[in-house]
Amino acid sequence: DARVTQTPRHKVTEMGQEVTMRCQPILGHNTVFWYRQTMMQGLELLAYFRNRAPLDDSGMPKDRFSAEMPDATLATLKIQPSEPRDSAVYFCASGLEQNTEAFFGQGTRLTVV
Amino acid sequence: GDSVTQMEGPVTLSEEAFLTINCTYTATGYPSLFWYVQYPGEGLQLLLKATKADDKGSNKGFEATYRKETTSFHLEKGSVQVSDSAVYFCALSDNNQGGKLIFGQGTELSVKP
Repeated sequence: DARVTQTPRHKVTEMGQEVTMRCQPILGHNTVFWYRQTMMQGLELLAYFRNRAPLDDSGMPKDRFSAEMPDATLATLKIQPSEPRDSAVYFCASGLEQNTEAFFGQGTRLTVV
Repeated sequence: GDSVTQMEGPVTLSEEAFLTINCTYTATGYPSLFWYVQYPGEGLQLLLKATKADDKGSNKGFEATYRKETTSFHLEKGSVQVSDSAVYFCALSDNNQGGKLIFGQGTELSVKP
């Protein structure tokens, strides 16, 4: 059963610490999205990749966030240093090509205290 | 830039009532349109999609028709069930934007027995 896998599912960290979230896209998918979901802002697109190259990361605060795809089976989202306002659920999604549906992981719930 | 606007929730209905959730979009090209559903504690799941004007997407009793003239993609269901209680997201993917997947703010649906 192909699915997008995100780790960890939950993370509690102290302000100022580095946080790394990982995503394993569905095998063969060439597009990966990172979203952040909060009650106030809803679903925000942070960044997305196609064939491992970043296409758009304009939604991401550049001073503290970074997103990479070291290889086709792994996408990472890092926050350094983390702040309480980063508390949210972070979703990764993958897709096969333009204009088809994206498949979502179950998310990483991040709490920064 | 491209955007999606949904009717605000929460929407509260009695079981077997008729459901409509409005969605309108703005896009520079010819987007594909989607409805996703999110159950508590889970990621988003694709509910239905339409890739060109006048297409009708349908799944699990839900329907939506791609209306280019009114730039709309309203979600409907003839008879809702308690199990339909969830948050519903309208989304678009636009080739002119590199296949970026953009979501509306979500509409919470609560169905009472």
